[in-house]
Amino acid sequence: RKEVEQDPGPFNVPEGATVAFNCTYSNSASQSFFWYRQDCRKEPKLLMSVYSSGNEDGRFTAQLNRASQYISLLIRDSKLSDSATYLCVAYNNNDMRFGAGTRLTVKP
Amino acid sequence: DAGVTQSPTHLIKTRGQQVTLRCSPKSGHDTVSWYQQALGQGPQFIFQYYEEEERQRGNFPDRFSGHQFPNYSSELNVNALLLGDSALYLCASSPGPSGVYEQYFGPGTRLTVT
Repeated sequence: RKEVEQDPGPFNVPEGATVAFNCTYSNSASQSFFWYRQDCRKEPKLLMSVYSSGNEDGRFTAQLNRASQYISLLIRDSKLSDSATYLCVAYNNNDMRFGAGTRLTVKP
Repeated sequence: DAGVTQSPTHLIKTRGQQVTLRCSPKSGHDTVSWYQQALGQGPQFIFQYYEEEERQRGNFPDRFSGHQFPNYSSELNVNALLLGDSALYLCASSPGPSGVYEQYFGPGTRLTVT
């Protein structure tokens, strides 16, 4: 079993839709959590950190449930420019574990 | 302010050969981590360098080795290349080994082993 597992996708949604990605992690000692965005053939870029209290950044909302070892990312009012692969990350002791990513395509 | 840079951009090698990849961290960053990203997968952590020492290592064989120089730049060496080593190799820098909230990735080196 992989340490970090994500919805396989792909997700194909129309502009303006709300889309949610889920992620589970197996290492209960994981200390910090992140969502990264990766465009095709580009490097990953940090989208947002994930906190237990939940956090929001514009159209993006991230949630962490430590009891269930579950992380989510909600994107509201999807834009064409949101099309990318979204990577879930669990961090522990200088070791970052990435999920395989979920591909999102937003269509006109 | 230059971000993380990597060289070369692309590389083609033959099985059994050795390869060296290079990374310069973002200005102000002193920690470099290396990742391997196979097609369709997320990045896998190879190792991290801080103060010219390997501080943490992922589940990679000894064929993968590295070095960090006094100017914080780093090299990744892979010996006895296998076909399965074909991947995108990403370097990430951060301000300190626990600076994950400010980790930036370079554009990567795409290695093809034939």
